[in-house]
Amino acid sequence: ILNVEQSPQSLHVQEGDSTNFTCSFPSSNFYALHWYRWETAKSPEALFVMTLNGDEKKKGRISATLNTKEGYSYLYIKGSQPEDSATYLCAFDTGRRALTFGSGTRLQVQP
Amino acid sequence: IAGITQAPTSQILAAGRRMTLRCTQDMRHNAMYWYRQDLGLGLRLIHYSNTAGTTGKGEVPDGYSVSRANTDDFPLTLASAVPSQTSVYFCASSDSTGRGNNEKLFFGSGTQLSVL
Repeated sequence: ILNVEQSPQSLHVQEGDSTNFTCSFPSSNFYALHWYRWETAKSPEALFVMTLNGDEKKKGRISATLNTKEGYSYLYIKGSQPEDSATYLCAFDTGRRALTFGSGTRLQVQP
Repeated sequence: IAGITQAPTSQILAAGRRMTLRCTQDMRHNAMYWYRQDLGLGLRLIHYSNTAGTTGKGEVPDGYSVSRANTDDFPLTLASAVPSQTSVYFCASSDSTGRGNNEKLFFGSGTQLSVL
């Protein structure tokens, strides 16, 4: 069983705050690292798929970085808005089978 | 609207009964997956299929079976439901060759299953 850990488990921030969370994954057998955004009562939706060490991806106010040698990825949200409230999942991909998901970071942004 | 359709949306089931959760996609994705979501445990893979005609076991396959007779459909069957199978079940698909899987997953809306 692959160990994919996310921290913190939950986070409460004020509107306008910037925030970041961590995904830790095995540094061996790396193929790709995925980030998904999961709003309450909806399905998870893909944010980024990252494949190269040093990769940086950006989508609006959300960005992510990847360090495959040490086995971690950071997700950053700049100027959080209430609509950013969701659970953010990362998933580790060895390229051999389906993804292994972390348990997620639940973000609540207070207006 | 293109995407993944799951049915039923929710179900209450007596222990020992047989149940099939349906999943259909119209994106012609070759790979499909079943995950269960439990509080504090995230999404755990039950079974997957890299292409029509093939299936594989995930992290938590016991008590579940799947089939992949064609590209579009990937039903999940609980042969004799037990209370520990109470969960939210998500079907997903991706446009993956199976030799490498860096394509994002598309998820269905989930099935809430309660086994009493």
